[in-house]
Amino acid sequence: EVRLVESGGGLVQPGRSLRLSCAASGFTFDDYAMHWVRQVPGKGLEWVSGLTWNSGLIVYADSVKGRFTISRDNARSSLSLQMTSLRPEDTALYYCTRSTKLTIPGDRWGQGTLVAVSS
Amino acid sequence: QSALTQPASVSGSPGQSITISCGGTRNDVGGYDYVSWYQQHPGKAPKLIIYDVIYRPSGVSDRFSGSKSGNTASLTISGLQAEDEGEYYCNSYSSASTNVFGTGTKVSVL
Repeated sequence: EVRLVESGGGLVQPGRSLRLSCAASGFTFDDYAMHWVRQVPGKGLEWVSGLTWNSGLIVYADSVKGRFTISRDNARSSLSLQMTSLRPEDTALYYCTRSTKLTIPGDRWGQGTLVAVSS
Repeated sequence: QSALTQPASVSGSPGQSITISCGGTRNDVGGYDYVSWYQQHPGKAPKLIIYDVIYRPSGVSDRFSGSKSGNTASLTISGLQAEDEGEYYCNSYSSASTNVFGTGTKVSVL
């Protein structure tokens, strides 16, 4: 069974940093591209970042470029999102997703981890 | 990276067909055959139902179909059922290798 389990969310003050993690299981991790997608509760989806199976191509949404860093550890089947200079508008549920290619933002999704940025 | 344009809501009676539009530009929908569609039920993670404009993942009902014309993609749900109620989002690959989602459409079954 494919499982994507996010962790690391919480309440953080504006300007601070937070690191999200995603533990993957039930599939061959390095066969897939991975993404982070976020959703403000009650609002729409926003693609955040993605990377290919070997991290050869890494892309970001303009809204997070220069502040967020996505990375993966294929040996540990894990995905991370280092978030710095956090803003209130980064408050959202963050989903980890996998896909066969970067052009699909996710064919399987985790349940998400909630990040709240507030003073 | 502006969100793709979707109608806020679409409704239909059981058994009917409905179509949800997804408007973009030549830099996203019009420029690539990489449109995907997601279904989301309240409190649940999104589920992929269409990818690469017209293809359905294994296990997705053939009542869902996708198409594209110019800068606009469409999702058609035929034989509408109560379980189809929920939020639907389109997504397109775009220039600079990024992805952009639509604004979302709430589907109601009358």
